[in-house]
Amino acid sequence: DVKVTQSSRYLVKRTGEKVFLECVQDMDHENMFWYRQDPGLGLRLIYFSYDVKMKEKGDIPEGYSVSREKKERFSLILESASTNQTSMYLCASSPPAGGAETQYFGPGTRLLVL
Amino acid sequence: GQNIDQPTEMTATEGAIVQINCTYQTSGFNGLFWYQQHAGEAPTFLSYNVLDGLEEKGRFSSFLSRSKGYSYLLLKELQMKDSASYLCAVRDGDYKLSFGAGTTVTVRA
Repeated sequence: DVKVTQSSRYLVKRTGEKVFLECVQDMDHENMFWYRQDPGLGLRLIYFSYDVKMKEKGDIPEGYSVSREKKERFSLILESASTNQTSMYLCASSPPAGGAETQYFGPGTRLLVL
Repeated sequence: GQNIDQPTEMTATEGAIVQINCTYQTSGFNGLFWYQQHAGEAPTFLSYNVLDGLEEKGRFSSFLSRSKGYSYLLLKELQMKDSASYLCAVRDGDYKLSFGAGTTVTVRA
């Protein structure tokens, strides 16, 4: 079974703090993704990575950065947290391109920025 | 941009059938996925369609019409545990999925 784990289930931070969200997958997947999920908006892609040290912007990258130094780990960084970044953050991984291979999701981190 | 529409909420009775529609307008098409997400949990994969037609998996079926930009997820013999959000997602290239906002299905006894 594919396992995607995220460092925290719940996190409370203050405006202006630097926040790190960690994601680890154990299936040697090339692709990793960070989404945020908000009511009425669904999942929106922040960044994704298709290889170590490679990253591409998703649909809403502003205010975020990412790091992928090892294949199994993909970190999302909020350089200076703001209240509008309060959300559920979901990490996912998948094998290389195409076919019926789905993305596998972690349990999510619910971030509250005060 | 990508536009994926699905109803916000649906309610049905235990044992009944519910059909969740999804329409999409995307810059490319390389498969359509349905996921189930229980409250507070991660989305889990339900089905995948890339060719037109019906894919059946037990109580769940998914249909795709590429020419119409349309899919539906059919849930038969509804059970209480089927109360969840159902997410429609389109892959428009090799990697990226674009998601609809999700449909919350409530199953009543």
